Amino acid sequence: ETGVTQSPTHLIKTRGQQVTLRCSSQSGHNTVSWYQQALGQGPQFIFQYYREEENGRGNFPPRFSGLQFPNYSSELNVNALELDDSALYLCASSLSGGAPTDTQYFGPGTRLTVL
Amino acid sequence: AQSVSQHNHHVILSEAASLELGCNYSYGGTVNLFWYVQYPGQHLQLLLKYFSGDPLVKGIKGFEAEFIKSKFSFNLRKPSVQWSDTAEYFCAARGGGGNKLTFGTGTQLKVEL
Repeated sequence: ETGVTQSPTHLIKTRGQQVTLRCSSQSGHNTVSWYQQALGQGPQFIFQYYREEENGRGNFPPRFSGLQFPNYSSELNVNALELDDSALYLCASSLSGGAPTDTQYFGPGTRLTVL
Repeated sequence: AQSVSQHNHHVILSEAASLELGCNYSYGGTVNLFWYVQYPGQHLQLLLKYFSGDPLVKGIKGFEAEFIKSKFSFNLRKPSVQWSDTAEYFCAARGGGGNKLTFGTGTQLKVEL
């Protein structure tokens, strides 16, 4: 167990809807990264938050947005859901985003299905 | 573009066989390398990591990996696998000082009794 928790575990939405996924980071960690893992693929980096600021973004459209709170927990919001957004969404927490020795520890993920 | 390749998508071994999973990366400059494992029904767990220094890195559960800079490789090895090693294994890389992990597509390992 890494101490990283995510909610909900599973979610079913329809196209066009909006969704919010939540992540609580491991105690003492100030950085949260979000990844999308499609079936049969490795995780792909969406973005990272470090001390409440976005600290890097992958190749995802602006309808993927995030937030980090003062307690370092984080939300991932996806607007105007598309069928291709169906995936496992992973949150990873780490001690110091961007530091050379930063190591990310993953939560169990939220399985999103878009119908 | 930065990328990570895992050439073995599915591997089936008998217990006690030796394991080597390939991982190649394309990064310029300093690179940090990781192997993660995902056991059935569980979350991604860190097996081992390389930042600098000794290119032979030892991880948990008897796994090790060797960083060979000239070959842009970071292969995972275990001398004798167990049934409980059945899982999906992901290699990941990050440019030194960066924040984004780039993952390979994973290798599904099945160990038969």
